[in-house]
Amino acid sequence: QVRLQESGPGLVRPSRTLSLTCTVSGGSISPYYWSWIRQTPGKGLQWLGYISDTGTTKYNPALTSRVTISVDTANNQFSLQLRSVTAADTAIYYCARDVFPHSEGWFDPWGQGILVTVSS
Amino acid sequence: EIVLTQSPATLSLSPGDRATLSCRASQSVSTFLSWYQQRPGQAPRLLIYDVSHRAPGIPARFSGSGSGTDFTLTITSLEPEDFAVYYCQQRANWPPFTFGPGTKVDLE
Repeated sequence: QVRLQESGPGLVRPSRTLSLTCTVSGGSISPYYWSWIRQTPGKGLQWLGYISDTGTTKYNPALTSRVTISVDTANNQFSLQLRSVTAADTAIYYCARDVFPHSEGWFDPWGQGILVTVSS
Repeated sequence: EIVLTQSPATLSLSPGDRATLSCRASQSVSTFLSWYQQRPGQAPRLLIYDVSHRAPGIPARFSGSGSGTDFTLTITSLEPEDFAVYYCQQRANWPPFTFGPGTKVDLE
């Protein structure tokens, strides 16, 4: 059974870059799409973007200038970078896989989530 | 961007009751609509995709219906573990994939 685990700092200073990694165990990166999704009390669930096993990316247009997602297939990991963060980026960040191979947009399973706070 | 609205915001019911949750899209999403369940302290999990298809391992008491802009998630007989927040999500017009604000099913 595939499992996803987010890791990274829980506190990021304003204007800095938020960097998170999702480690996939019990399954392969291929041939799925892998997403980052965040959750806040105010804005609810927000999809940030995805990457395929071959490195194809799609981002949320609202964040595309600040987001980069990359994949490391050798280590079964993918990563999120969010630049120039503000307090509005404080959220629980989830990584998730598409439920079926080669499909886009139905997310399961998810990692347990990691709370990232943006504060000085 | 397609905006999803959900109603009611909160549904107060008892175990064994039938739950009916609604999701409305700002424009047609055809049948590209899914439902997720989020229990307290947990990540969301996929219940239903493509309006009416149950995800692997999801019990038969969960069912979905609708098309276009109006959709329904029905839980025929609530079990104690079903008291949670439910979100709809669309993949008809993306990026971005978008989620509704959620309906909380809580104990009456």
